[in-house]
Amino acid sequence: DAKTTQPPSMDCAEGRAANLPCNHSTISGNEYVYWYRQIHSQGPQYIIHGLKNNETNEMASLIITEDRKSSTLILPHATLRDTAVYYCIVRVFNDYKLSFGAGTTVTVRA
Amino acid sequence: ETGVTQTPRHLVMGMTNKKSLKCEQHLGHNAMYWYKQSAKKPLELMFVYSLEERVENNSVPSRFSPECPNSSHLFLHLHTLQPEDSALYLCASSQGLGTAEAFFGQGTRLTVV
Repeated sequence: DAKTTQPPSMDCAEGRAANLPCNHSTISGNEYVYWYRQIHSQGPQYIIHGLKNNETNEMASLIITEDRKSSTLILPHATLRDTAVYYCIVRVFNDYKLSFGAGTTVTVRA
Repeated sequence: ETGVTQTPRHLVMGMTNKKSLKCEQHLGHNAMYWYKQSAKKPLELMFVYSLEERVENNSVPSRFSPECPNSSHLFLHLHTLQPEDSALYLCASSQGLGTAEAFFGQGTRLTVV
């Protein structure tokens, strides 16, 4: 019962910005958008989350459309170490369940 | 290094064996989780503990038995597993249930032969 849709894969050039899209057209008013990533052979790593305002931290920026039906995770200067599967998840803030879908496999190329 | 340590990193066991997976966190978190990641499938939440009490048992077969003796440690006891139980088992912790950021360990790669 996927609540998000992401492209299965994308390539990015090292040093360039990587823009990862996510559609969540059925998002509810009290649901946040979370992003995690999973580098090969490691556990998932939290990146960022937001409700409706754009958010930025040391890892990435999150841009959420005004209607909240889609969002974009931006890695400002992709490096080879950013190669990973990126997961976009929607959930109510105080719900502990993280429903991981298939994610987007991002490959950063030199 | 996320602060969540899982041992062993790799485990091969026969279907009649009994083994345990261990997870340890010293982040001061009070919620801990077990997830299963099978090949070509999304992560599945198995068990959730909050303040050492189990709050979620997601229809997991009884051959998987969790234990949370204190807020820093979580175990997954395994017995009479099947080959289809081969997967990456991930432990996670968070400051409280439903907080924004969950910290994951590197996982235990389990192979059942």
